[in-house]
Amino acid sequence: EPEVTQTPSHQVTQMGQEVILRCVPISNHLYFYWYRQILGQKVEFLVSFYNNEISEKSEIFDDQFSVERPDGSNFTLKIRSTKLEDSAMYFCASSPRGRNGEQFFGPGTRLTVL
Amino acid sequence: SQQGEEDPQALSIQEGENATMNCSYKTSINNLQWYRQNSGRGLVHLILIRSNEREKHSGRLRVTLDTSKKSSSLLITASRAADTASYFCATDAWGSQGNLIFGKGTKLSVKP
Repeated sequence: EPEVTQTPSHQVTQMGQEVILRCVPISNHLYFYWYRQILGQKVEFLVSFYNNEISEKSEIFDDQFSVERPDGSNFTLKIRSTKLEDSAMYFCASSPRGRNGEQFFGPGTRLTVL
Repeated sequence: SQQGEEDPQALSIQEGENATMNCSYKTSINNLQWYRQNSGRGLVHLILIRSNEREKHSGRLRVTLDTSKKSSSLLITASRAADTASYFCATDAWGSQGNLIFGKGTKLSVKP
């Protein structure tokens, strides 16, 4: 069964460093999402991406964040200058359709900022 | 505003019993979805109920939606130890492009 994959599973970085989190969505899906979950808190929407551009973004998704679909398969989230409060689990999701679509989540990347 | 708030926050039951989790939300929605998360793992989609539906079943899961009260419930019948996980409701807000707003979740523990 097709699934969303994410790499790495765990990333440790120093404050101020750039990180790139990678996702491979399900191949025939058109809508892509990033969410994050700070330990013990709710899952929060960051950004949605469709047709090679951002569809929606939350207040969390500020200028430090960017997303890219560099080729036909990868979907990346870049954090330019990490802060301690960026430590969280980051989930990628994909869906065959936007509204009323089931979203398939990857296993997540645990980001630890020291 | 908060969206998709579940209660109870934690629920502990014996295997074989039914588990009911509730979710409330504040804005108009396209649909409401329930997800499950095992500790430290990703989210698994369980069921989606559209705003014009009132009840939906999938195996041992039954979901209801009351848009007048802006609430939903998830019932797991004949629970098993393997059902132990956190359960989240998520709303796909009206007018959005599908981004989901999650609640804080209910942590379900099913004892064998």
